[in-house]
Order: sequence, then structure tokens, then C-alpha cells
Amino acid sequence: RKEVEQDPGPFNVPEGATVAFNCTYSNSASQSFFWYRQDCRKEPKLLMSVYSSGNEDGRFTAQLNRASQYISLLIRDSKLSDSATYLCVVKSGGSYIPTFGRGTSLIVHP
Amino acid sequence: DAGVTQSPTHLIKTRGQQVTLRCSPISGHKSVSWYQQVLGQGPQFIFQYYEKEERGRGNFPDRFSARQFPNYSSELNVNALLLGDSALYLCASSYDTNTEAFFGQGTRLTVV
Repeated sequence: RKEVEQDPGPFNVPEGATVAFNCTYSNSASQSFFWYRQDCRKEPKLLMSVYSSGNEDGRFTAQLNRASQYISLLIRDSKLSDSATYLCVVKSGGSYIPTFGRGTSLIVHP
Repeated sequence: DAGVTQSPTHLIKTRGQQVTLRCSPISGHKSVSWYQQVLGQGPQFIFQYYEKEERGRGNFPDRFSARQFPNYSSELNVNALLLGDSALYLCASSYDTNTEAFFGQGTRLTVV
């Protein structure tokens, strides 16, 4: 089993839709969690950190489920500009070496 | 404020050659990490440096090496290039080893 797994998609949704991605991780000692967004042939950009109590930033909501070892990202009212690849990042143990998932591709169409 | 800057942006090398990639972190950031990203995959961790010391190393061969300078900039060296080393090489900086990381635009390396 890979350390961090994501459904590569693509998720193809209409504008205005709500879409959710999950990311599972295998190391129960994982400490820190993040979501990054990556546009085609560009660098990843931090979207949001994921806190134990869950957190929201505008149309984006991130949640952590330690019991089932997954994090989620919910995007409400999707915009065309949300089309990108969404990468989850998990940091584990004392070394805090980050492990990226392969990313989930989102395509928002008119 | 300047973000993370990497140079060069694109590079073409021949198999067997050596390459040096450079990274300048965000001002005030003391940690630099290097990643390799091939098409269709997430970035793979190569090295992390903090205060000029190596704090983490990913599963890459000894042909890959790095260092961090007193001004916190960093270099990634790859020796004896293979075709499989063709990838986007990303540098990320953070204030310390556990805070959020911010990426540079990357260096796209092509080995022919």
C-alpha cells in the first residue's frame, strides 16, 4: 500500500457543483497535513493546511479523519478557475519528511 | 516580496553529464527542500536542509547531492545523468522543517 493515495480522476464537474476529494495515508503517526493546487506545468501552490478540527477557507473545506486515516477537500460552487490538480501532503514522524499523493485532477466545465 | 526563485528554468543535458540546480528561498526562511516530479506523479522528496544541515533524505541514489549555504540558498547536484532523471525539479522553502512550504517555479531538466 502506498503511503499516500489519491484517486487520480479526472473529476469532471459543471460550474456551480460541489466536489469532494479524499486522500488516504498509511502511517498512523502522521502529524501534519496539507492540500496543494497545481496548474498544468506550474509549481504546486499551498491551498490550505488541514487541522484536526477541520477548517474552511471560503468555498474550500478541509477535514481530517484520524480514525480512518484520511483527509478530505470539499469545494463548493465550483468555478472554471478551480480546474487543476489537487495534491495532498502528509508529514510523518519526527523527521517531518513530506509525502505527496499523485494528485487528483479536477475539470470544471461550463 | 520575492518568492522562491530557481535557476535555470529549463535545461537540456546529455546522458552522463552533471548538472547543478540553484534555489533562493523566501527571505527569512531557513529550510529548503528539493523534489523531483515526473509527469502524472506527485513531487517526490529528495532532500531537506535546515540551517545548512541535512535534515532529511529521500530514496534517491548517491548521484544526487545537495547543500545549503550560509545565506540559506541551496544547490542540487546530479551526477552521471540518466534519461530517467528527466523531470521537473522543484525547490520549496519554509521557515522551519514543519511549517508550510512554498515552491519555486521549478527547473525542467531534459536528459537526451
